[in-house]
Amino acid sequence: GIQVEQSPPDLILQEGANSTLRCNFSDSVNNLQWFHQNPWGQLINLFYIPSGTKQNGRLSATTVATERYSLLYISSSQTTDSGVYFCAVEHPLRGNNDMRFGAGTRLTVKP
Amino acid sequence: DSGVTQTPKHLITATGQRVTLRCSPRSGDLSVYWYQQSLDQGLQFLIQYYNGEERAKGNILERFSAQQFPDLHSELNLSSLELGDSALYFCASSVAGGELFFGEGSRLTVL
Repeated sequence: GIQVEQSPPDLILQEGANSTLRCNFSDSVNNLQWFHQNPWGQLINLFYIPSGTKQNGRLSATTVATERYSLLYISSSQTTDSGVYFCAVEHPLRGNNDMRFGAGTRLTVKP
Repeated sequence: DSGVTQTPKHLITATGQRVTLRCSPRSGDLSVYWYQQSLDQGLQFLIQYYNGEERAKGNILERFSAQQFPDLHSELNLSSLELGDSALYFCASSVAGGELFFGEGSRLTVL
C-alpha cells in the first residue's frame, strides 16, 4: 500500500518562530489532508489540498503532487499550535476515500 | 465543531466485555469511516460505509463489527475486549469521498 512519511517526527519551537512540516508519499494521490490533533485529542481539519497552495491565517500548505510531497508552513507560532500534525492521503486506485495517515509531527511551542 | 457526533466520549470496561460506539455524521454526508488510534499504531483505518453499504475494509479485527443505519448513523461494536483494544476510536464522515471531518472520538479503556 501507499507509504506516508512525515518529518520531522518531533519539533520544539519558541513562540513566534516559523516552521515547515513535510509529508512525502510513495505513490500518486487524489486526496491529501492536513490535520492538527490538539492536546485534548481532537482532530481538526487544516487543509484539504490534493494539489496547489492554500493559506489560512498563519498557516499555509503546498502540495506538489507530481513530486509526491506536501508542506505545511506555520508562521509566528503560538503555544496553541502545539499538538500533533498529521498528513493523510488517499490512493486513487483504492478509491472510497480510504485515507491513510502518516505517523505525525509532534510540535511543541514554548512560551 | 466538525458536525460529527460520537458517543460516548469515554468508556471504561473490563476484558471480555462488549461495547458499542455510536457516530452521527454531518448532515448530508453519506460516508462514515471508523479509525482506531492507539499509542503504538497511530491512526489506523478500520472500515467505511457509504449510504448503508460497507464500502472498504481496513485493519478491522474479526471481534469488531460495524453497521450504518438508514438514518446514516453508524455503530462500531467491539466484543471480547482485550487490553490492547484500549484506544481512541474516531468516526469521520464525508459527502462521498473528498474532505473528511472527524468527530471528537471515543476513548476506550479496557481494564
